[in-house]
Amino acid sequence: DAKTTQPPSMDCAEGRAANLPCNHSTISGNEYVYWYRQIHSQGPQYIIHGLKNNETNEMASLIITEDRKSSTLILPHATLRDTAVYYCIAASNNAGNMLTFGGGTRLMVKP
Amino acid sequence: ETGVTQTPRHLVMGMTNKKSLKCEQHLGHNAMYWYKQSAKKPLELMFVYNFKEQTENNSVPSRFSPECPNSSHLFLHLHTLQPEDSALYLCASSQDGTSGRLYEQYFGPGTRLTVT
Repeated sequence: DAKTTQPPSMDCAEGRAANLPCNHSTISGNEYVYWYRQIHSQGPQYIIHGLKNNETNEMASLIITEDRKSSTLILPHATLRDTAVYYCIAASNNAGNMLTFGGGTRLMVKP
Repeated sequence: ETGVTQTPRHLVMGMTNKKSLKCEQHLGHNAMYWYKQSAKKPLELMFVYNFKEQTENNSVPSRFSPECPNSSHLFLHLHTLQPEDSALYLCASSQDGTSGRLYEQYFGPGTRLTVT
């Protein structure tokens, strides 16, 4: 699976959009981009995933660049409960079940 | 509530004890996983089961022994652990690989294990 790079930490004001970047410059054509988050003392939570097209669900939007070398997770109206570590993972469905978590971005939403 | 439950939530055990962690999923998934999360370290995959068959063992020491009696239940049997095995142990489940949703994994709350 391709390596991903994320900033270690970010701050966001409550009510504003949180834009979390991820670099995956070596991603291959069959690898999806997955986003998870982990709130303190809880298990990770699946957020969203995509291959080429932008995706949106009730939690977030995922914007993938045309060359697929980077992506951005957008939380449109961040709340204090969105404070968590956010993980960006590149994985292909034919590479077994291995989901490799890196260090992620620690997002702090401030009032 | 993710549909994945784990018991116990907290466990303290001595190095000579034998204990078991239990995971149950109510999502109809066919793949189940054990992960370990140590302080200040990324999540580490330990074991993977697909349709009750173990398909991954990520070089885990034999003092950790998994068991998957059916697609809904997963156990992690522990014996003669070391203090460095103290960590948060997380269980997860997902659909099998044929559905294209292999990596939509749903995690339980974890068991906080302390080895004394």
